[in-house]
Amino acid sequence: GENVEQHPSTLSVQEGDSAVIKCTYSDSASNYFPWYKQELGKGPQLIIDIRSNVGEKKDQRIAVTLNKTAKHFSLHITETQPEDSAVYFCAANTYQNSNSGYALNFGKGTSLLVTP
Amino acid sequence: KAGVTQTPRYLIKTRGQQVTLSCSPISGHRSVSWYQQTPGQGLQFLFEYFSETQRNKGNFPGRFSGRQFSNSRSEMNVSTLELGDSALYLCASSSSRLAGGLMDTQYFGPGTRLTVL
Repeated sequence: GENVEQHPSTLSVQEGDSAVIKCTYSDSASNYFPWYKQELGKGPQLIIDIRSNVGEKKDQRIAVTLNKTAKHFSLHITETQPEDSAVYFCAANTYQNSNSGYALNFGKGTSLLVTP
Repeated sequence: KAGVTQTPRYLIKTRGQQVTLSCSPISGHRSVSWYQQTPGQGLQFLFEYFSETQRNKGNFPGRFSGRQFSNSRSEMNVSTLELGDSALYLCASSSSRLAGGLMDTQYFGPGTRLTVL
């Protein structure tokens, strides 16, 4: 299937610093790129998503950028707080066929630790 | 609005048994997707149901099956369980109202932790 590569696999930052997580995808038909945050014992929670008709989207301390030409997108968290500590997953939709539409392919995740 | 609910939250089975997991989507959502999450393989797409029909299928063996009811609730079944089926099984619902090749946001439930002994 189509791949989504995510880096780094672990990231440790000090409280107040910024964190950046990067993903690349291979399906040129992908047009939807969500980011999920998963805390221990919980299901993934959508934190932000972007569609291919925009290059950047911001929501308070969280922003996502998309470069369709290079097939990569990034998550930026500014002014990190200890409660931002979690595993973050990027995803890209992949086109199956005209009858079935899209499914989500996920990166392997980034474990973010924010130390006080 | 209540979120996606999954039952049971934890399950322990032995090899060779079969198991059925249940998912209730967000009210009004018609699409339910199932994912398997393991430390080694990450989140992998199993299948998607929309209006009681399987619309998408991932690369899993036929031991994994599902269905969707008229109220959009979905069940997933795994037959002849293997040790490697131990995982967190997640379901996600979406309204699936966007057209023109656009994908709707998926909202995940808390998952069912399946342990196969």
